[in-house]
Amino acid sequence: GQNIDQPTEMTATEGAIVQINCTYQTSGFNGLFWYQQHAGEAPTFLSYNVLDGLEEKGRFSSFLSRSKGYSYLLLKELQMKDSASYLCAAMDSNYQLIWGAGTKLIIKP
Amino acid sequence: SQTIHQWPATLVQPVGSPLSLECTVEGTSNPNLYWYRQAAGRGLQLLFYSVGIGQISSEVPQNLSASRPQDRQFILSSKKLLLSDSGFYLCAWSVLAGGPYEQYFGPGTRLTVT
Repeated sequence: GQNIDQPTEMTATEGAIVQINCTYQTSGFNGLFWYQQHAGEAPTFLSYNVLDGLEEKGRFSSFLSRSKGYSYLLLKELQMKDSASYLCAAMDSNYQLIWGAGTKLIIKP
Repeated sequence: SQTIHQWPATLVQPVGSPLSLECTVEGTSNPNLYWYRQAAGRGLQLLFYSVGIGQISSEVPQNLSASRPQDRQFILSSKKLLLSDSGFYLCAWSVLAGGPYEQYFGPGTRLTVT
């Protein structure tokens, strides 16, 4: 079957670094996506990885290892506005997104 | 630039009543369109997707239906709502031409069935 696993909740301190892990199993693979979702709002696209390695976008970076079925989202210099849920999603061979349940990130001052 | 609209933003409906949620996309042609539902504190559940006018694929058997009467319009309907239909309904679009295939979401409709 197809499955995405990510931690339910994480807590970090303002100004620190946090890494949110995601493991996936899909029928075929066409990329790994990360989305940010603030409470009560729609998800917004953060990053896309299809090749192994690290993609950096400002304070956010995303890593992919296809052989391990593993990805992580790295958030640096945490700000209070980064408090949100972070959704991991893998695209299968039919170009459908398989979604994780999301990781709620709590930032403390 | 592309924009996606959904309405209404919130809705409170009694059990057994009908439902119609509308989604429209501007600034792109022939998008793939999706309806998702998100229960409180949960991930996204794909309900329907469409690759073209009149082409609807259902992912979860239930009392909901979807239609795509125009290229950039996607409608979610129900004849009789159940309590379990409560949730946050999200419409999304993507284009599968050259990738990277990310989906962009509308603002969502929060539905409470009472």
